[in-house]
Amino acid sequence: GAVVSQHPSRVICKSGTSVKIECRSLDFQATTMFWYRQFPKKSLMLMATSNEGSKATYEQGVEKDKFLINHASLTLSTLTVTSAHPEDSSFYICSAREKWGGTKNIQYFGAGTRLSVL
Amino acid sequence: DAKTTQPPSMDCAEGRAANLPCNHSTISGNEYVYWYRQIHSQGPQYIIHGLKNNETNEMASLIITEDRKSSTLILPHATLRDTAVYYCIVRVAANTGTASKLTFGTGTRLQVTL
Repeated sequence: GAVVSQHPSRVICKSGTSVKIECRSLDFQATTMFWYRQFPKKSLMLMATSNEGSKATYEQGVEKDKFLINHASLTLSTLTVTSAHPEDSSFYICSAREKWGGTKNIQYFGAGTRLSVL
Repeated sequence: DAKTTQPPSMDCAEGRAANLPCNHSTISGNEYVYWYRQIHSQGPQYIIHGLKNNETNEMASLIITEDRKSSTLILPHATLRDTAVYYCIVRVAANTGTASKLTFGTGTRLQVTL
């Protein structure tokens, strides 16, 4: 199956700093990438959807100035958590959908990034 | 996208078949049934998907009822490594130009035991 690489897997930062998370599709081109957030023992919540070369679409309640998303190429999307605070501590997961998915339209997921803000 | 209903938890003995049900009574004609699973502290893993015919791959089988209002994911010989949360999601498959996103419910927590 297709591989989505997410880096870093874990990050600890001080309150007020910014953190960048990278998501790469390794063996396919991804027109659309998605960013999810997951709190302990909860399900995944979609934060935003990004299409290559255009601005991301954020879900209701997600601050676009807080969570900056850049999808500069068909294989790379980044999520930057700006001025992170302890309440931003969570498990962030990216997902990518193949450019020519056709009727398969399968989303592949990265391994996730566990962010801890002190 | 149609909503799904799954039991919150199930147990299965190792080596036995695990049958995970999903109800999707409001599914539309152009919506597929997708199954993913999430092992603790990892990203979700795609398992299988289907429209109306039963499907099988190296991981599992998917049985969809004739009226498409429910489906069952079958893991033929469950192992301890199959312990995970299993998500059943229905969604339009074709990329119509707008991003068709996967919306996760609470899933079924499958515990495989010795």
